[in-house]
Amino acid sequence: KAGVTQTPRYLIKTRGQQVTLSCSPISGHRSVSWYQQTPGQGLQFLFEYFSETQRNKGNFPGRFSGRQFSNSRSEMNVSTLELGDSALYLCASRATGGLMNTEAFFGQGTRLTVV
Amino acid sequence: KNQVEQSPQSLIILEGKNCTLQCNYTVSPFSNLRWYKQDTGRGPVSLTIMTFSENTKSNGRYTATLDADTKQSSLHITASQLSDSASYICVVSGGDKIIFGKGTRLHILP
Repeated sequence: KAGVTQTPRYLIKTRGQQVTLSCSPISGHRSVSWYQQTPGQGLQFLFEYFSETQRNKGNFPGRFSGRQFSNSRSEMNVSTLELGDSALYLCASRATGGLMNTEAFFGQGTRLTVV
Repeated sequence: KNQVEQSPQSLIILEGKNCTLQCNYTVSPFSNLRWYKQDTGRGPVSLTIMTFSENTKSNGRYTATLDADTKQSSLHITASQLSDSASYICVVSGGDKIIFGKGTRLHILP
């Protein structure tokens, strides 16, 4: 069974640009959640999608958005990039919705560098 | 304020030695506590999960403990191996919240 696939693995963008990251969950999993990881803040929850609907959202500005397709693949978009958006963006796949009690399987992440 | 504090921030030990990582939390209500291992350049992988009624859980050489009264958890690694070099992240869930600790960076030296 293939794991969680995130693309691209590495990305360099300049301030003001926008970026789209992709996540393909484990086959059969319907929940995809996104996290930002930085050395200073650790892992922070961005949002969760289940059956194409956003179910939970963290405390990030509206520049961070996402969506989920009917095949459960998810994309995350960040507009008007800032230097502080440089981070490892992780996607996690769950079999069912609900962040609390269902085990999350993480992808390898996309390393975004904003210059 | 809901927080998860991990200590130490980083730790260096020799291969074959044991070590214990700490996690203190103030998350309420409490649902469960997970320990993840994250290798450099990779996503976190779940090691253990414990609910309120569980006070110990093992996964091979990894043993996690939970004291729900004092809101403390520990992860004990026995007979460390070079492959244990990684970040270990404590995650506490409760209500509608998931709070991540900043992790402990563990270095195993040969």
